[in-house]
Amino acid sequence: AQSVTQLGSHVSVSEGALVLLRCNYSSSVPPYLFWYVQYPNQGLQLLLKYTSAATLVKGINGFEAEFKKSETSFHLTKPSAHMSDAAEYFCAVSRSGAGSYQLTFGKGTKLSVIP
Amino acid sequence: NAGVTQTPKFQVLKTGQSMTLQCAQDMNHNSMYWYRQDPGMGLRLIYYSASEGTTDKGEVPNGYNVSRLNKREFSLRLESAAPSQTSVYFCASGGTGTAITDTQYFGPGTRLTVL
Repeated sequence: AQSVTQLGSHVSVSEGALVLLRCNYSSSVPPYLFWYVQYPNQGLQLLLKYTSAATLVKGINGFEAEFKKSETSFHLTKPSAHMSDAAEYFCAVSRSGAGSYQLTFGKGTKLSVIP
Repeated sequence: NAGVTQTPKFQVLKTGQSMTLQCAQDMNHNSMYWYRQDPGMGLRLIYYSASEGTTDKGEVPNGYNVSRLNKREFSLRLESAAPSQTSVYFCASGGTGTAITDTQYFGPGTRLTVL
């Protein structure tokens, strides 16, 4: 079964500091991985996704993630945190089902940005 | 282009009452999904529909029913609400449903409280 594990339910960083949110996957087949962001009281929106075309994936709002097969990881980074980055971040893996594909989400990491 | 819309935004029910959550998308997507979000649990798939006329169970289907009314609309029904169903419910739709890399687009959510 395919799954993802997010390390750290809460992460705090200072404004301007590096953001690093960790995601490790478990999969017996090549995984297709996603990062979604949820701002307070809103739905989820896609930050970026790994489709095997390139191991370094750039997303919206300056975020990027690197797929590392040897470490079974897909960590999300941003060089300099902004106050507007405060949100909850979810890693997810796509898996096949009856006639469709579904996402299995991690439990989420809430990012706080300290001024 | 409204994307994915959900009604109602908020609802309070008493134990044993029934209700239907409505979802509609205007992106001509084949696949639609219902999730519930609980603190510390991430998002868990309740039901999904790969195409008009088909529905399948997800990870946590007990206590719920769904109807794929047409390509645009996918409703979730609670026949006899229980306090354990207090949650935030998200509807999503996703592309053709035939690509493992399909992005899912989420609605704003319905906050349901069962007393």
